[in-house]
Amino acid sequence: AQSVTQLGSHVSVSEGALVLLRCNYSSSVPPYLFWYVQYPNQGLQLLLKYTTGATLVKGINGFEAEFKKSETSFHLTKPSAHMSDAAEYFCAVSEQTGANNLFFGTGTRLTVIP
Amino acid sequence: NAGVTQTPKFQVLKTGQSMTLQCAQDMNHEYMSWYRQDPGMGLRLIHYSVGAGITDQGEVPNGYNVSRSTTEDFPLRLLSAAPSQTSVYFCASSYSGVPNEQFFGPGTRLTVL
Repeated sequence: AQSVTQLGSHVSVSEGALVLLRCNYSSSVPPYLFWYVQYPNQGLQLLLKYTTGATLVKGINGFEAEFKKSETSFHLTKPSAHMSDAAEYFCAVSEQTGANNLFFGTGTRLTVIP
Repeated sequence: NAGVTQTPKFQVLKTGQSMTLQCAQDMNHEYMSWYRQDPGMGLRLIHYSVGAGITDQGEVPNGYNVSRSTTEDFPLRLLSAAPSQTSVYFCASSYSGVPNEQFFGPGTRLTVL
């Protein structure tokens, strides 16, 4: 069974500071990996995904994530936080075969301090 | 394209009542799914469908029923609402197979008293 752990349910950063949101997965076979963002009172929007190939993945709004198989991690980063980045971020995984089901972490709420 | 639409946006039920949450998509996606979002628990898969006439259970299917008679629609039925079903419900859709991007609806906030 897939398992996703997001360390830190709340993260606060100053505007312009580095954003680092952590995600670890538990699977014997590396899954496909995703980061979604949820703005207040909205649905989820895909930020980026890793399937195969280059382990550093660039997404929308300046975010990127690096797949590290040896650490079973897929941490999300952004060099400089903007006020508009304040949202909840979810890491998710899907298996490489079968239906396109997603298994989500518990989420990290990002606050950006002016 | 309207994308994924959900109705209603908000709903209050009494324990024991039944209701149907509606979900529709206009992207001709084969795959559709329902998730519930609870504080501190992320999103959990309730039911999913890989095409018209085909449905299957997810992680938390108890108390919910689904059917898929058309490609566009995937309603979620609560047979006898319980306070434990108070949650925000999201419908999502994608092309079939992995790892296709899932598109999410705006959600339905359900309160069961």
